[in-house]
Amino acid sequence: DAKTTQPTSMDCAEGRAANLPCNHSTISGNEYVYWYRQIHSQGPQYIIHGLKNNETNEMASLIITEDRKSSTLILPHATLRDTAVYYCIVRVANSGNTPLVFGKGTRLSVIA
Amino acid sequence: DAGVIQSPRHEVTEMGQEVTLRCKPISGHNSLFWYRQTMMRGLELLIYFNNNVPIDDSGMPEDRFSAKMPNASFSTLKIQPSEPRDSAVYFCASTRSGANVLTFGAGSRLTVL
Repeated sequence: DAKTTQPTSMDCAEGRAANLPCNHSTISGNEYVYWYRQIHSQGPQYIIHGLKNNETNEMASLIITEDRKSSTLILPHATLRDTAVYYCIVRVANSGNTPLVFGKGTRLSVIA
Repeated sequence: DAGVIQSPRHEVTEMGQEVTLRCKPISGHNSLFWYRQTMMRGLELLIYFNNNVPIDDSGMPEDRFSAKMPNASFSTLKIQPSEPRDSAVYFCASTRSGANVLTFGAGSRLTVL
């Protein structure tokens, strides 16, 4: 039961920031927002996760609205290798023993 | 760390044949997940194990599918007999208790003719 809504596809110019939105209006207080991506012909790859504070790592930044009903994944300087399907998933944290439920995600195309 | 290892990477078989897909999780991980991906249905969970015990197999399509995890370092997904509609990429993922990240293998692409 995917609890998120994402645009089907987006384009981004190489070198520019890619901002991928996600709506999760029914998120519960103990649920985190996770982002994974899947590059063609590969398995999904973890990017980042957060609860309510903005998060940043070497791959991306995650901005979560104050009401937690939506978030944005930011790839600050997109490259052609960032072309992939990006999945936004809400899930209880530290629940490593439970599976991820994937929606359809956003297909990001980075254009030279 | 070699990551999650799946074999074979590609399998082409004929309808009615038995297919066995294999997965070696990351050492120390105690949860293992099998997913299937098709264009029509996206990524679907088939079954998952905690500490080698199957927890939820409600995603297994039908009795032709079975999965085992005889020990912490090995799991199999078997399809017998295979059908063309089973053609898909099958992913295995693993994680450890309390972790936030699932690590996926590279997948096994199955084509049933």
